[in-house]
Amino acid sequence: EAELVESGGGLVQPGGSLRLSCTATRFSLRAYWMHWVRQAPGKGLVWVSRINTDGRTRTYADSVGGRFTVSRDNDRNTVYLQMNSLRAEDTAVYYCARVGGSDPGAFDIWGQGTMVTVSS
Amino acid sequence: QSALTQPPSASGSPGQSVTISCTGTSSDVGGYNYVSWYQQHPGKAPKLLIYEVNKRPSGVPDRFSGSKSGNTASLTVSGLQAEDEADYYCGSYAAINGEVFGTGTKVSVL
Repeated sequence: EAELVESGGGLVQPGGSLRLSCTATRFSLRAYWMHWVRQAPGKGLVWVSRINTDGRTRTYADSVGGRFTVSRDNDRNTVYLQMNSLRAEDTAVYYCARVGGSDPGAFDIWGQGTMVTVSS
Repeated sequence: QSALTQPPSASGSPGQSVTISCTGTSSDVGGYNYVSWYQQHPGKAPKLLIYEVNKRPSGVPDRFSGSKSGNTASLTVSGLQAEDEADYYCGSYAAINGEVFGTGTKVSVL
């Protein structure tokens, strides 16, 4: 069964950086747009970023633009989220998700999530 | 990029139906037939239930159905079962603004 596996989360101080990874297993990421979505503890889903198949088109939520960078390495079957200048309000579970079909906003496969905690 | 509006909670007895609304704007829900719905159980990743307003991925029971009128989309869960107790989120494609999710609805099976 196709899966996405995130890694790289952890505890970081305000102003610090983290890089999250999302690796696909049992399918090739190459043909898919990929997104990052986050969920603060006890809160709802919030869209963060997306990247197209060749990595040339990237979009960000206003709340992370200028601080986060999404990228991909199709040869490694992995998508990344570089997070800089982290703030307490960035604390959340971060999910990567795949757009699997004709609906550009429908995510058919999600990773298990990786927790990012920003605190001193 | 404001969140789509959903009721905080909904409930029904086993076998009954519950409908959840999702209100956006002409820049998201009303502008495209790209509304999706997700089910999330505690501590789990979301699961896609509906895409393109009313289409179900393989494996999703036909008890789940979607519709849209103007800027408001709806998810109906018919024949409620205990395992349907979960949080439900709508999502909409928003073109250059990416994607926007709803505020979430907690469904309780009484």
